Amino acid sequence: AQTVTQSQPEMSVQEAETVTLSCTYDTSENNYYLFWYKQPPSRQMILVIRQEAYKQQNATENRFSVNFQKAAKSFSLKISDSQLGDTAMYFCAFMKHVNSGAGSYQLTFGKGTKLSVIP
Amino acid sequence: DVKVTQSSRYLVKRTGEKVFLECVQDMDHENMFWYRQDPGLGLRLIYFSYDVKMKEKGDIPEGYSVSREKKERFSLILESASTNQTSMYLCASIGTEHQPQHFGDGTRLSIL
Repeated sequence: AQTVTQSQPEMSVQEAETVTLSCTYDTSENNYYLFWYKQPPSRQMILVIRQEAYKQQNATENRFSVNFQKAAKSFSLKISDSQLGDTAMYFCAFMKHVNSGAGSYQLTFGKGTKLSVIP
Repeated sequence: DVKVTQSSRYLVKRTGEKVFLECVQDMDHENMFWYRQDPGLGLRLIYFSYDVKMKEKGDIPEGYSVSREKKERFSLILESASTNQTSMYLCASIGTEHQPQHFGDGTRLSIL
């Protein structure tokens, strides 16, 4: 089974500063996908950014970027110019094809990092 | 816009009851998932399904079963509810790996 580890249960950052959330994973797969999700206090899970393992270029979405190190099995999220609305739980997730059938996937999450942005 | 709808936001049941949690998605997605979310434990996969009538066990299937009779609907069943099943339950669906996953709002289930 795949495991996803987020070693920082809680973090805080000053507004407008930069913060990096860490994530490591364990897999023997070569093709897979990695994601960061955000869950604000309202509970709705929102996709922040995704990375295909076969792509060497790190994904970027506005203020959010990742540092994907495939050999090290590391997938950290950097949030630049932090805003109060970034306060949320952040989950790292791993997705792979499963052999159950064509087009079937399994998605595994880490335990999450609670990020607080301080005014 | 894709929508994943969970039938209840809050649910209170008693131990020993049979509990049904319903999830419906409107984008013809093949893959659907049930997770439970507990503080400090993140999201743990209970069951998933990649097609009608198909199901696969996740990491913590004990005490649960699922049903997928129609593509759009994925039901989680607690055969005989116990207090340790008190949790937040999240449903998700995926079309292909090129599409984002979509989550429901969650069901906060309390077993008394």
